[in-house]
Amino acid sequence: DAKTTQPTSMDCAEGRAANLPCNHSTISGNEYVYWYRQIHSQGPQYIIHGLKNNETNEMASLIITEDRKSSTLILPHATLRDTAVYYCIVVRLISNTGKLIFGQGTTLQVKP
Amino acid sequence: EPEVTQTPSHQVTQMGQEVILRCVPISNHLYFYWYRQILGQKVEFLVSFYNNEISEKSEIFDDQFSVERPDGSNFTLKIRSTKLEDSAMYFCASIAVGAYGYTFGSGTRLTVV
Repeated sequence: DAKTTQPTSMDCAEGRAANLPCNHSTISGNEYVYWYRQIHSQGPQYIIHGLKNNETNEMASLIITEDRKSSTLILPHATLRDTAVYYCIVVRLISNTGKLIFGQGTTLQVKP
Repeated sequence: EPEVTQTPSHQVTQMGQEVILRCVPISNHLYFYWYRQILGQKVEFLVSFYNNEISEKSEIFDDQFSVERPDGSNFTLKIRSTKLEDSAMYFCASIAVGAYGYTFGSGTRLTVV
């Protein structure tokens, strides 16, 4: 699975959009970009995933560049509860059994 | 919203003792996983399980570890002889066929003393 690079930490003001970047320059054509987050020491929580098109759900938007070498997770209106470690993970899915290889992630601090 | 349930939430055990961590995955999920996170470190994959057998395991998952689905609902991780370095949060996860996002449990904090 391709490796990802994320900034170690970011701050965001409450109510503003949080834009979390991720580089995955060695991504292969059959690999998806997944985002998870971990609030304090809870279990990771799935946020969103995409292959090459931009995606949006009730939690976030995912923007993937045309060459697929980088992506940005957007939390449109960050709240204090969005303070967490955010993981960008590239996964080659084989019948849903693709294991997740977690990096250090980006620690997002949402401030009042 | 359906949840993956893990018990106990915290377990303290003596070094050398056997421990069994329990998980109840979401009922229609068929793929099951264990991950662990040593304090301050990354979340690490341990093992995946499908159709009553291990589909993949990491190098961490040595002979001291085993998994079992003893009935239709529970999924367990056994550590035969615990070491101090086994102290970690252990997360169970499951996913349904055709789904894309795993659901993780809230974890069991294992402390080996």
